[in-house]
Amino acid sequence: GAVVSQHPSRVICKSGTSVKIECRSLDFQATTMFWYRQFPKQSLMLMATSNEGSKATYEQGVEKDKFLINHASLTLSTLTVTSAHPEDSSFYICSARGGGEGDYGYTFGSGTRLTVV
Amino acid sequence: QKEVEQNSGPLSVPEGAIASLNCTYSDRGSQSFFWYRQYSGKSPELIMSIYSNGDKEDGRFTAQLNKASQYVSLLIRDSQPSDSATYLCAVNVWQAGTALIFGKGTTLSVSS
Repeated sequence: GAVVSQHPSRVICKSGTSVKIECRSLDFQATTMFWYRQFPKQSLMLMATSNEGSKATYEQGVEKDKFLINHASLTLSTLTVTSAHPEDSSFYICSARGGGEGDYGYTFGSGTRLTVV
Repeated sequence: QKEVEQNSGPLSVPEGAIASLNCTYSDRGSQSFFWYRQYSGKSPELIMSIYSNGDKEDGRFTAQLNKASQYVSLLIRDSQPSDSATYLCAVNVWQAGTALIFGKGTTLSVSS
């Protein structure tokens, strides 16, 4: 089945620094990728949708200048958390969608646990 | 505001029993419905998807969809302690593009 590789799995950074998270589709072309954030005991909240070669669409309340998304190819999307603060500490999960519908239309990465100290 | 609602639980069932998980959604335009299982600290894993009214069975799992009532459920037969996890209902809200919108999840605990 479809595989999405997400790195790093864990990262600890100092407040004020930037962190980049990568999401790669390994065996299919991901025309659309989604970035979610999950706080403890909460559900996945959609942050943004990115389509290859175009600007990401951010959900209401998500700062586009803080959470930079780049989807430069059909197999790679990156999320950069800029000037990170402790309140940005969360579990970030990417999801990729290939060209078709069905059970494997959405594939999730393994997630990145970000801790800002 | 497009919403997906789930009872947060916890839902506790003994080993071997049937666990019933429920989900309602607000957007009648929703077309695809998914159940994911998530263990603590891990990414969600797909259990089942359903697109048409009625039942869909896969092993010990049965998904049920009723679009008129805007209701989707997941039944787990012969529940095992390894089924203990949080179960997330997700809906494809067409008007929002192709993103999945998740409910808050129901925590299931299966006791041996």
